[in-house]
Amino acid sequence: GESVGLHLPTLSVQEGDNSIINCAYSNSASDYFIWYKQESGKGPQFIIDIRSNMDKRQGQRVTVLLNKTVKHLSLQIAATQPGDSAVYFCAEIRPGGSYIPTFGRGTSLIVHP
Amino acid sequence: EAGVAQSPRYKIIEKRQSVAFWCNPISGHATLYWYQQILGQGPKLLIQFQNNGVVDDSQLPKDRFSAERLKGVDSTLKIQPAKLEDSAVYLCASRTRPDPGRTGELFFGEGSRLTVL
Repeated sequence: GESVGLHLPTLSVQEGDNSIINCAYSNSASDYFIWYKQESGKGPQFIIDIRSNMDKRQGQRVTVLLNKTVKHLSLQIAATQPGDSAVYFCAEIRPGGSYIPTFGRGTSLIVHP
Repeated sequence: EAGVAQSPRYKIIEKRQSVAFWCNPISGHATLYWYQQILGQGPKLLIQFQNNGVVDDSQLPKDRFSAERLKGVDSTLKIQPAKLEDSAVYLCASRTRPDPGRTGELFFGEGSRLTVL
């Protein structure tokens, strides 16, 4: 079946480096893609989303890139900080539904001071 | 602004026992979701409410799981009888209407961690 998945389960970076977290999706009809951050013991927190008619969107220290040709989504975090350590999920919203995000498995980002 | 409140935070039960989780969404949020998150996986939707009506419960194992939101505010998720594979974090989330600028923004509670022995 179609699903949202991630390339790497764990990513380790040094404080100050840029981080890139990748996500592959298979449902070409999805309208929106979202990145969530989940810290230990907490619920997921919205970071940024992007419409399917865009290829890039920037927020504060984060950039999401969407490549519809290869069905690939990435989250770039600039100047990664220890507080960025968390599990990051990409999610998709499929058309025809009630805007319910479908989550992938997640990537654990570990930032070393 | 107060966030989504959930209780209890932790619960340990034996298989075949029952358990109930409670959620109070952010004030004014008409839409409420229950997700199940198994360790190492992303959250999986169980049920969606719009006010006090069920919008989608297609992934709710109805033979053992039930949920209600009688007055359109707080909600209860019940499991009876519990199985070992129900061990997970149960997340409640809410939002107002979908905002075109932030369609994916759900507000999650901290979750209720269930361990079934």
